[in-house]
Amino acid sequence: GAVVSQHPSRVICKSGTSVKIECRSLDFQATTMFWYRQFPKQSLMLMATSNEGSKATYEQGVEKDKFLINHASLTLSTLTVTSAHPEDSSFYICSVLRDLTTYNEQFFGPGTRLTVL
Amino acid sequence: SQQGEEDPQALSIQEGENATMNCSYKTSINNLQWYRQNSGRGLVHLILIRSNEREKHSGRLRVTLDTSKKSSSLLITASRAADTASYFCATDPYNTDKLIFGTGTRLQVFP
Repeated sequence: GAVVSQHPSRVICKSGTSVKIECRSLDFQATTMFWYRQFPKQSLMLMATSNEGSKATYEQGVEKDKFLINHASLTLSTLTVTSAHPEDSSFYICSVLRDLTTYNEQFFGPGTRLTVL
Repeated sequence: SQQGEEDPQALSIQEGENATMNCSYKTSINNLQWYRQNSGRGLVHLILIRSNEREKHSGRLRVTLDTSKKSSSLLITASRAADTASYFCATDPYNTDKLIFGTGTRLQVFP
């Protein structure tokens, strides 16, 4: 499978600050990446689809001005949590979409644990 | 909610027993996948079953799919303590690249 990295793996920040999380596709170029959020003991919820060279597409209920996504290159997407608050504390996971001949496969990063104090 | 439902939410068994988890979803799909997640870690892809398939095997895993009922099951045979994890089904709704995850089953296998 493909290798996807996320940085940082863990971050603690003060309320009101902004935090940037990077997602890198190390094996191939990807025009599409996804960002998910997972609260403790819950499932993954899709937040947005990151499209290289264009605006991200956000899922219903996700504030685009709070969760800024930049997909500036074919191997890097960033998620910036602006003015973070304790309720934003969560596990953020990215995935990279690879188009295969028979189906589109997503490869997941290891996740970033955000704790907002 | 977009999410599919999984049951049971939690399952505790002894090593050697079989574990069965069920997943129901809401829309027409291209494929259904099962993932495993150890506590606080990333996802591991287990198996994919296409919408035109009814059953698939991979090692100790057996997956079934019933598109008429919009449901799938994951069977882990001869479970091991190392199988302890959360298991999620994920569907890609027809004509999208998105993955919609189920609510998950937390499996605990006691040695």
